[in-house]
Amino acid sequence: SQQGEEDPQALSIQEGENATMNCSYKTSINNLQWYRQNSGRGLVHLILIRSNEREKHSGRLRVTLDTSKKSSSLLITASRAADTASYFCATGEKTSYDKVIFGPGTSLSVIP
Amino acid sequence: GAGVSQTPSNKVTEKGKYVELRCDPISGHTALYWYRQSLGQGPEFLIYFQGTGAADDSGLPNDRFFAVRPEGSVSTLKIQRTERGDSAVYLCASRPGTRAGELFFGEGSRLTVL
Repeated sequence: SQQGEEDPQALSIQEGENATMNCSYKTSINNLQWYRQNSGRGLVHLILIRSNEREKHSGRLRVTLDTSKKSSSLLITASRAADTASYFCATGEKTSYDKVIFGPGTSLSVIP
Repeated sequence: GAGVSQTPSNKVTEKGKYVELRCDPISGHTALYWYRQSLGQGPEFLIYFQGTGAADDSGLPNDRFFAVRPEGSVSTLKIQRTERGDSAVYLCASRPGTRAGELFFGEGSRLTVL
């Protein structure tokens, strides 16, 4: 099963610009996470935000969560060519055990 | 090893054959997840374990798919009578404890069914 939508599906920006990706989900959640995947590699965790938090920062990353709208956004500031990758949101479902469901992802290209 | 290890990294098989994919999680991690990822798609949840038991297997597509984790460490995903539609990258992830948190992923096993 997959959770919700990510928007946009693909994003191309110039180095130094900010990149914003959005994620919507359908169920009640405990937390929402963002992951990054370089082509042909495994996923790497970026940041986790809990359902009782509204905003979180980590380095050049800023994540927001709006549980009333069932949506989240990931902002990457001052992007670099090395940020080129696919980005996925993943929700931890509100069940007795933490089932983690991924969205379809956003493909980000940062042009030097 | 320090990370999640998956073997084989690549597996080519013929339609109708049986396949086993292995995942060796990070030592001490009690939760283990299997996902399937097709090209250009997000990881699709298959099953996850807490210890030896399958806490949720609702993502297994049909009864040709089965996964075990007999000693609460290594897990094997088993696919019977493979079909061309089973071709994908199978990803394994683990995390410590029962609290929600970061998943640590392996590099995946790429399965091609001819």
